[in-house]
Amino acid sequence: RKEVEQDPGPFNVPEGATVAFNCTYSNSASQSFFWYRQDCRKEPKLLMSVYSSGNEDGRFTAQLNRASQYISLLIRDSKLSDSATYLCVVRFNQAGTALIFGKGTTLSVSS
Amino acid sequence: DAGVIQSPRHEVTEMGQEVTLRCKPISGHDYLFWYRQTMMRGLELLIYFNNNVPIDDSGMPEDRFSAKMPNASFSTLKIQPSEPRDSAVYFCASSSVNEAFFGQGTRLTVV
Repeated sequence: RKEVEQDPGPFNVPEGATVAFNCTYSNSASQSFFWYRQDCRKEPKLLMSVYSSGNEDGRFTAQLNRASQYISLLIRDSKLSDSATYLCVVRFNQAGTALIFGKGTTLSVSS
Repeated sequence: DAGVIQSPRHEVTEMGQEVTLRCKPISGHDYLFWYRQTMMRGLELLIYFNNNVPIDDSGMPEDRFSAKMPNASFSTLKIQPSEPRDSAVYFCASSSVNEAFFGQGTRLTVV
């Protein structure tokens, strides 16, 4: 089983729609979780960290379910500018551990 | 800080040639990562360093790939000899505690 798995999509939604992405991780020792955004032919950039209690940043809400080992990202009121690939990222917080990326979910928002 | 700096941005080389990719991490970051991204395989971790020491190189595809970090401000990824299947975007990233910052990547084409 791969360490971090995401539905690759693509998710095609109209402007204003609400869309949700899920991500599952295999290592129960994982401690840190993030969503990164990657635009076409650009480098990945941090969108938001994911906290155990869930967290919100404007139209974006991230949630973590440790028992089921999944992370979610909810985007409300989608904008054209939200079109990108969203990468789920997991880190094991033992000393000297790396960020492990999912393959990403592609979102396309149309007018 | 200028962020993570990678060079070259683009590299086209013939099969069998040696390729060297370079990375300057953000000052003060003690983790450095090398990733490779292709459409088929997504973003794959090749190797990462902690305080200039290689921690995990299990993602390095084969002996043709090698990476070094002679000091805290410089790392190289070398492919020798290069093959067409090495064509990809290679990203370097650095981090301190949590968030990783990526360079703009090197787009490598081996013909």
